[in-house]
Amino acid sequence: DIQMTQSPSTLSASVGDRVTITCRASQSISSWLAWYQQKPGKAPNLLIYKASSLESGVPSRFSGSGSGTEFTLTVSSLQPDDFATYYCQQYNSYPYTFGQGTKLEIK
Amino acid sequence: QVQLVQSGAEVKKPGASVKVSCKASGYTFTTYAIHWVRQAPGQRLEWMGWINSGNDNTEYSQKFQGRVTITRDTSATTGYMELSSLRSEDTAVYYCARPRYGDSAAFDIWGQGTMVTVSS
Repeated sequence: DIQMTQSPSTLSASVGDRVTITCRASQSISSWLAWYQQKPGKAPNLLIYKASSLESGVPSRFSGSGSGTEFTLTVSSLQPDDFATYYCQQYNSYPYTFGQGTKLEIK
Repeated sequence: QVQLVQSGAEVKKPGASVKVSCKASGYTFTTYAIHWVRQAPGQRLEWMGWINSGNDNTEYSQKFQGRVTITRDTSATTGYMELSSLRSEDTAVYYCARPRYGDSAAFDIWGQGTMVTVSS
């Protein structure tokens, strides 16, 4: 199975900050990577697909980059609604796997 | 609007089976796959498998092979996930999810989740 590792696991930041979350795959997944935001008690919400494509309706402050084994999700200017947990997911090969999550907290 | 609506919470005893449903609406059911993903309390998301709603082909994570069965009923526009030989570690929220059009498994539509509790 492809292991997905996110860093950091927890990130404390303030409104207006620029933050970056990293996701590393244990082997190359080309650009078959998605990013999700999840709030407590809710289903995940797709932000980015194919590593860098912004899902319709998602604010442009979210961006994704990378290919192969290293990927990043950047939020250019944090808004109050952005404090949540973020997951990366590879869909290059079965079984599709997710990172352990990055909890973005208010500093 | 496009949505997936899942069946309600379940409490099961170890060794029992559970079947969760996922009713699709707002789109052509047979055009999109249905995937199943679970999340144990405080844990990461875990992909279980998927079904091609058009031709009934399935693919399962090897972790669940032999215990999970994913089916669909096109007339009811509903997908199903059945998990057997339940153990306490299967306690989780189970989600169905639909991939974006033209994308294999970036999930843009999710069900609301079904909590399955396995306890004696």
